[in-house]
Amino acid sequence: QQQVKQSPQSLIVQKGGISIINCAYENTAFDYFPWYQQFPGKGPALLIAIRPDVSEKKEGRFTISFNKSAKQFSLHIMDSQPGDSATYFCAAPISSGSARQLTFGSGTQLTVLP
Amino acid sequence: NAGVTQTPKFRILKIGQSMTLQCTQDMNHNYMYWYRQDPGMGLKLIYYSVGAGITDKGEVPNGYNVSRSTTEDFPLRLELAAPSQTSVYFCASRRSQGVSGANVLTFGAGSRLTVL
Repeated sequence: QQQVKQSPQSLIVQKGGISIINCAYENTAFDYFPWYQQFPGKGPALLIAIRPDVSEKKEGRFTISFNKSAKQFSLHIMDSQPGDSATYFCAAPISSGSARQLTFGSGTQLTVLP
Repeated sequence: NAGVTQTPKFRILKIGQSMTLQCTQDMNHNYMYWYRQDPGMGLKLIYYSVGAGITDKGEVPNGYNVSRSTTEDFPLRLELAAPSQTSVYFCASRRSQGVSGANVLTFGAGSRLTVL
């Protein structure tokens, strides 16, 4: 079974600090690698995604770094804010059956202290 | 524009009962998915569909069934509820499987199911 390994499971950061979440994947379809953000009681929502032909993508305080050779990608949250407190999921696309599917990591619960 | 709508939001079932989780999307998306989310386990794919009349199994299909008679609707059926099916269920959709900044998974708000 396709694996996407995400770490850490939980993360506590002071306001203004940098939050870093890592993901490693196995063989995958050549597509895009997203990060989803989930607040309690809500469904996951796309935060940022990267194509595998670039090594970094930045959107505001959020940056994805992608290392194709190592099969790893990470999410960096700069100047972390209490409003960033949520669960973050990475995902990698696989080809299976009649469509590409996203396999999700186990999630990282981020708490940003005020 | 409602996006992906799931009903019910909460449900308690007794062992052996049956029920259907409803999912509808108004974005004319071809691809639809059902995931379950267990604490600390991320999202596991149950079933998916690439269009009306076409469905396929995901990673954890046992104990569930789906149908896709229209583009908009993708209900998930639990025939004989078991405690192992206690979870939060998410329906999601996307337009196609091509690479595009706009081609992302849109999730519903979830349905929390407890089987006692």
